[in-house]
Amino acid sequence: QLQLQESGPGLVKPSETLSLTCSVSEYSNSSGYYWGWVRQPPGEGLAWIGSIHHTGSTYYNPSLKSRVTISLDTSKNQFSLRLSSVTAADTAVYYCARVRIAFVNWFDPWGQGTLVTVSS
Amino acid sequence: QSVLTQPPSVSGAPGQRITISCTGSSSNIGAGYDVHWYQRLPGTAPKLLIYGNNNRPSGVPDRFSGSKSGTSASLAITGLQAEDEADYYCQSYDSSLSHHVIFGGGTKLTVL
Repeated sequence: QLQLQESGPGLVKPSETLSLTCSVSEYSNSSGYYWGWVRQPPGEGLAWIGSIHHTGSTYYNPSLKSRVTISLDTSKNQFSLRLSSVTAADTAVYYCARVRIAFVNWFDPWGQGTLVTVSS
Repeated sequence: QSVLTQPPSVSGAPGQRITISCTGSSSNIGAGYDVHWYQRLPGTAPKLLIYGNNNRPSGVPDRFSGSKSGTSASLAITGLQAEDEADYYCQSYDSSLSHHVIFGGGTKLTVL
């Protein structure tokens, strides 16, 4: 059964870059999937950050596009998230997930999530 | 403010049937985009519950069902059980936002 696990610093200073990695137990370069990131700020709902295909094509939430980079390292069965110029509004639980490509893509399975706090 | 509107909370007694609504607009659910549902049990990762409006992944009990009509979708749970107490989220696309993914704000289900 596919498993995903997020890792990275739990505390990031304002204006710095948030970097997270998602380790995948069984990486697949199937064209039927993307790999994606979703976050949930405290007290708020889920918000899609972006996704990456095994070909390297990326798709980002327009509201975050200028600050987000998602990359893939197939040799390590990992994909990563970088979010630059963070503020307190970027404090959230960050989830990685496999994204099933469909008429409307869905996320399955998800990682456990990791809390990232932006604070000096 | 989420693009898809869900009630913040619903509750029901064991054995009862409850529904959770997910209200959108003509640029998302009303445009024909599919709706998916996720369950997040306390302290765990979100889990896909319903995909493509009314399809259950393998392993999801048939007590869970989804429907869609017009600009809204609904998740129904019959024979409510204590272990169903969780947060539930709907998800779709929105054509006014470069077709990007949108989620509902989530609904906390309490089993009385």
